[in-house]
Amino acid sequence: DADVTQTPRNRITKTGKRIMLECSQTKGHDRMYWYRQDPGLGLRLIYYSFDVKDINKGEISDGYSVSRQAQAKFSLSLESAIPNQTALYFCATSHGGSTEAFFGQGTRLTVV
Amino acid sequence: GNSVTQMEGPVTLSEEAFLTINCTYTATGYPSLFWYVQYPGEGLQLLLKATKADDKGSNKGFEATYRKETTSFHLEKGSVQVSDSAVYFCALRVNRDDKIIFGKGTRLHILP
Repeated sequence: DADVTQTPRNRITKTGKRIMLECSQTKGHDRMYWYRQDPGLGLRLIYYSFDVKDINKGEISDGYSVSRQAQAKFSLSLESAIPNQTALYFCATSHGGSTEAFFGQGTRLTVV
Repeated sequence: GNSVTQMEGPVTLSEEAFLTINCTYTATGYPSLFWYVQYPGEGLQLLLKATKADDKGSNKGFEATYRKETTSFHLEKGSVQVSDSAVYFCALRVNRDDKIIFGKGTRLHILP
């Protein structure tokens, strides 16, 4: 089983709909992140969390919200999806300090 | 603020050619530096890292040296293989704020 699991892997939704992307991890890490990947733009940070009570905005948080339900779970919500939120979304986890991040397989979201 | 700039792709090489992908950074404090690789349809995985000046990270024949004087962390490989075809991301992490900042990625194509 993957250490960082994202669900769903693929999703097509309509403009205006609310959608939630979920991430769970078995690595015991305290830090969790949500990124989106767009061609030519690389990975951009949406939100990050250092523990259950600590949530921080990244560089592109507008139109998104998150919930850290437990140390192992971090969900990303689009309250009212719009087409320019079509992207590949990645969840990642890490320990503090200089250690690496571990990524999920990604969720491909299409908003039509 | 903290940022990473890497050479734009795509980069196309023949098998057994020498590879360099340039990466430079701007950071407050003393960042750790990373190269991640993304194979088609997969999430990102760590390729190599360096945590202080003059450190050399290496893995799978790839190398990168942390150059503080030139704020660079260029990725090199002496003889590339078709299986190295992927997208490569340079990234940094400053311990103070713990965010992981990525470059835009460089797509590498290796021709047989």
